[in-house]
Amino acid sequence: QVQLQESGPGLVKPSETLSLTCTVSGASISSYSWSWIRQPAGKGLEWIGLMYIIGSTSYNPSLKSRVTMSVDTSKNQFSLRLNSVTAADTAVYYCARVDRLHYYGSGSYDYYYGMDVWGQGATVTVSS
Amino acid sequence: EIVMTQSPATLSVSPGDRATLSCRASQSVKSNLAWYQQKPGQAPRLLIYGASTRATGIPARFSGSGSGTEFTLTISSLQSEDFAVYYCQQYNNWPPMYTFGQGTKLEIK
Repeated sequence: QVQLQESGPGLVKPSETLSLTCTVSGASISSYSWSWIRQPAGKGLEWIGLMYIIGSTSYNPSLKSRVTMSVDTSKNQFSLRLNSVTAADTAVYYCARVDRLHYYGSGSYDYYYGMDVWGQGATVTVSS
Repeated sequence: EIVMTQSPATLSVSPGDRATLSCRASQSVKSNLAWYQQKPGQAPRLLIYGASTRATGIPARFSGSGSGTEFTLTISSLQSEDFAVYYCQQYNNWPPMYTFGQGTKLEIK
């Protein structure tokens, strides 16, 4: 059974760096892609970034200048760093496994990179 | 950047009835679309991918349809556990990136 667990400080001061780690159990981090998603209280989901090959990343354009994702294969963990945070970065942060899911549609076989396993979420508040 | 728009924002349906949720993309995403369910205090759960393929363990009362820019999630006979918020999500192959819709809250009528 694959499980993901987010960890990190629950309180970050404005202008500082938010750092979170996602620990993966039950699956090798080298075998999948991984993503971070966040959700402000009472609002919708916002995709933050994707590590689609170990060491290769893609980020939400709106956050790209402040985001870094990294991986530690020896610990089966991947991490998120978001710098220069403001109150607008207060949210629940989720990590998720991204799997290549095959399907048949429109007359051909194709695949979708779906987020099929999620962590429980880590609440991060930005406040002085 | 592709924008995903879901409608309605809130849908009130009685248990046992059918619910139809819509998602529209600002440009064609072919079948690169997924649906997620989120209950209060929980992480989202993948329901549908490839616009119409149910994820592992998802009941047959959930079905997805559409391609291009118009998509629909249908729940054929609502159970009490189905009342939740539903999000559509598109995946762009290159550069790899995702966009979520703003969500539809399915509530008990």
